[in-house]
Amino acid sequence: AQSVAQPEDQVNVAEGNPLTVKCTYSVSGNPYLFWYVQYPNRGLQFLLKYITGDNLVKGSYGFEAEFNKSQTSFHLKKPSALVSDSALYFCAVRGSYSSASKIIFGSGTRLSIRP
Amino acid sequence: GAVVSQHPSRVICKSGTSVKIECRSLDFQATTMFWYRQFPKQSLMLMATSNEGSKATYEQGVEKDKFLINHASLTLSTLTVTSAHPEDSSFYICSARDRTGSSGNTIYFGEGSWLTVV
Repeated sequence: AQSVAQPEDQVNVAEGNPLTVKCTYSVSGNPYLFWYVQYPNRGLQFLLKYITGDNLVKGSYGFEAEFNKSQTSFHLKKPSALVSDSALYFCAVRGSYSSASKIIFGSGTRLSIRP
Repeated sequence: GAVVSQHPSRVICKSGTSVKIECRSLDFQATTMFWYRQFPKQSLMLMATSNEGSKATYEQGVEKDKFLINHASLTLSTLTVTSAHPEDSSFYICSARDRTGSSGNTIYFGEGSWLTVV
């Protein structure tokens, strides 16, 4: 069975500092990994995905994520945080790329950026 | 970019009535759509996978007769909550898979629909 874990319920960072939101996964076979952001009372917005290729994936709004197979991690990063980055972030995994494969979400991490 | 639209964004209904939520992919065709439920401050729980032209696949524990899903076209899936009860009050989110072009099988989400059953 596939699963994804976000060990931190909340991450607090000062504006301008680098941020990291952690994600680890468990899946048989090659993982397909995603990050989404959710603003209050809104749906999810796609940030980035890892399918294959370079371990460092660049996405929207200056975010990037690093795929680490040995540590089964896919941490989300940004070099310089903005107050507007404050939101709920979800890591997600899919065990295969077939149309029948479900996407499983982590529990979410609330990112709070203080001015 | 690809857009998925949900309607209504908020709905209040009386206990015992049914309510329909629509999910549309606006600029791509989606053979597969997903319906999620999200409780306050919690993650998304997959309810069912909606397949165009065939029956939906429900997750364990989700009542298929209560949460009716129809995916009659490549751009529209509907979720009907039948005989709604207050415990059905929740935030419902749909997503659609864009398998075409440069999106490369990316899943896009709707804005969500708040259902309040009174």
